[in-house]
Amino acid sequence: DPKIIQKPKYLVAVTGSEKILICEQYLGHNAMYWYRQSAKKPLEFMFSYSYQKLMDNQTASSRFQPQSSKKNHLDLQITALKPDDSATYFCASSPQGADTGQLYFGEGSKLTVL
Amino acid sequence: GDSVTQTEGPVTVSESESLIINCTYSATSIAYPNLFWYVRYPGEGLQLLLKVITAGQKGSSRGFEATYNKETTSFHLQKASVQESDSAVYYCALGGQGTGSKLSFGKGAKLTVSP
Repeated sequence: DPKIIQKPKYLVAVTGSEKILICEQYLGHNAMYWYRQSAKKPLEFMFSYSYQKLMDNQTASSRFQPQSSKKNHLDLQITALKPDDSATYFCASSPQGADTGQLYFGEGSKLTVL
Repeated sequence: GDSVTQTEGPVTVSESESLIINCTYSATSIAYPNLFWYVRYPGEGLQLLLKVITAGQKGSSRGFEATYNKETTSFHLQKASVQESDSAVYYCALGGQGTGSKLSFGKGAKLTVSP
């Protein structure tokens, strides 16, 4: 059974709309992350959270807002969607303090903005 | 900044043939880089395949090997004899002490092993 659940797996949105990507992890980890991969680009780090607090933000746009309502949740709200936001968004987690680079990823949510 | 450049897919290899996926890195903000290979099998999330944190060392897992070469800033992934079940997307990644789990990834290489 998947230990990190991302919903939805696929979604299509129109320019200017808003979407929320859901992520829940059942690994007991306290650190969670969002990564994104656009077509023909590397997988890139977006945010990291630790104990539900924002630790690092490498996303220039405020249109991307993580939301952590529970310890094992880290949703990603994207507002005023643009076609350039089309990408696969990956949620990940790791044990707190594990500076080992071992991340556990979800299957991803593929967003297409028309 | 820190970056990774790797073989871009698709890569097609026949079963039992050898494989090499190239990876080079640039670590400008990390004093002692850690290097990783992640793999994404169809329908699954990325998972760690192997990692090496010391220059000159070799990591291995599931028949795959990669050697951390500081002189050439490379971390190529190799396997002597691939199987159909190795078909997946392979990502090279760079991290380091103090960066937490903020890894710099390559674009990924989609490997297809034909029977």
